Amino acid sequence: LAKTTQPISMDSYEGQEVNITCSHNNIATNDYITWYQQFPSQGPRFIIQGYKTKVTNEVASLFIPADRKSSTLSLPRVSLSDTAVYYCLVGLTGGGNKLTFGTGTQLKVEL
Amino acid sequence: DAGITQSPRHKVTETGTPVTLRCHQTENHRYMYWYRQDPGHGLRLIHYSYGVKDTDKGEVSDGYSVSRSKTEDFLLTLESATSSQTSVYFCAISERASSYEQYFGPGTRLTVT
Repeated sequence: LAKTTQPISMDSYEGQEVNITCSHNNIATNDYITWYQQFPSQGPRFIIQGYKTKVTNEVASLFIPADRKSSTLSLPRVSLSDTAVYYCLVGLTGGGNKLTFGTGTQLKVEL
Repeated sequence: DAGITQSPRHKVTETGTPVTLRCHQTENHRYMYWYRQDPGHGLRLIHYSYGVKDTDKGEVSDGYSVSRSKTEDFLLTLESATSSQTSVYFCAISERASSYEQYFGPGTRLTVT
């Protein structure tokens, strides 16, 4: 099971692009990379998932280099409402007991 | 938002008391999960279910049992609650095992005194 390392916290200002990097040196060939967002007093919410290169949706982009030992979640033009904890997960696409959340990155967005 | 409800949303109970938390879904998803979240630990998987009457242990299953008699309901039971089980409990569902895209419920805050 690949261990992930993320910064504990990050600060940003409204309108800026935020990049949160996750290290996963032991990622296995079949592992996917998934990011979740969690607001206070709510359950986590799926943001994006990828295997290699770049994935983009209406919320974020996920950049994965060729060696896949790290990944970067990019949030364009953040607002106050993006203040949340962001979790990087790496593991087999099989759910169940393979799903492990770390402590995440607390992003604080200010005016 | 996915149709997931948890009950109760808040509960205070005494040590040694049995407690059952309920997760109910209206999405007809096959996979259901129970997590606990504590400061400094992120979310940790307690038990999960891959179908009616099919369940398995997660990372922190000691002291907990689960049951799933219907697709839509997944129950988490603390047979004899302890103070170490004070936590926020989240239920989640997913449509496929081949995806990490899980949908989470609103959570239950449990306090064991």
